[in-house]
Amino acid sequence: QQQVKQSPQSLIVQKGGISIINCAYENTAFDYFPWYQQFPGKGPALLIAIRPDVSEKKEGRFTISFNKSAKQFSLHIMDSQPGDSATYFCAARNYGGATNKLIFGTGTLLAVQP
Amino acid sequence: ETGVTQSPTHLIKTRGQQVTLRCSSQSGHNTVSWYQQALGQGPQFIFQYYREEENGRGNFPPRFSGLQFPNYSSELNVNALELDDSALYLCASSLQGPYEQYFGPGTRLTVT
Repeated sequence: QQQVKQSPQSLIVQKGGISIINCAYENTAFDYFPWYQQFPGKGPALLIAIRPDVSEKKEGRFTISFNKSAKQFSLHIMDSQPGDSATYFCAARNYGGATNKLIFGTGTLLAVQP
Repeated sequence: ETGVTQSPTHLIKTRGQQVTLRCSSQSGHNTVSWYQQALGQGPQFIFQYYREEENGRGNFPPRFSGLQFPNYSSELNVNALELDDSALYLCASSLQGPYEQYFGPGTRLTVT
C-alpha cells in the first residue's frame, strides 16, 4: 500500500513533442505528490509538486495532472527539448506521524531526440 | 543561499568494513533525511533527523545509523558493509514539517 507505481520505464520523444509519464498509488493518506528530475551523477532536483485537492498544476512547460478518484497522477512535458533528457521520478508523501518521508516510483528514463 | 552538500563524492569499501558519509543541509533547513538509491531504482527512505534525534525510519537494519549535529549537518554510518549496500546515498534537507525536500548530489558507495 506504500508503493508508487511508475510507467513507462523508458520513453523516447522527438524534439518539440509531448512527454507523458504516469504514476499510480494506493494509499489515500498520501498528501503531497512531487516530481523530481535526475541527471546522471547528480541528486534528484524538485521539478514540480501538487497536493490532492488540486486537479492540475502548470509551471512553464511542465504540468501535473491529478486524478484523485483513480489514484493516478501524471507529468506532461510540453515542447520537449534535448536538455530535458534525464530520469524522472514521481513520489508521494504521507506526513502522518510527523515524518516527512517520500516514497518514490522506479523512475522513467526520458530521451528527447533532436 | 548554499545548497545541500555531501562528502565524499564516491568511495570504495570492502565487505565487513564500516563507512561514514556526511551531509551539510541547505541554509535555514533544520531537518535531514537520508535515502539509498540502488542502480536503476528510485530512492528509498532510510531515516530522518530533527533536533539531533531520529524522527522516522524506513525498512533498514540497525547497522544503518545516523547523527545530526547542532548546526543541522548529519552523518550516515553503515557497519558491517554488505555487497548490496553498494548504491548512491542521498541526503535531503528541509524545514521540519510537511515541506519540500532538497537533495544533495549524493555519495556513490561501492562495496567489493
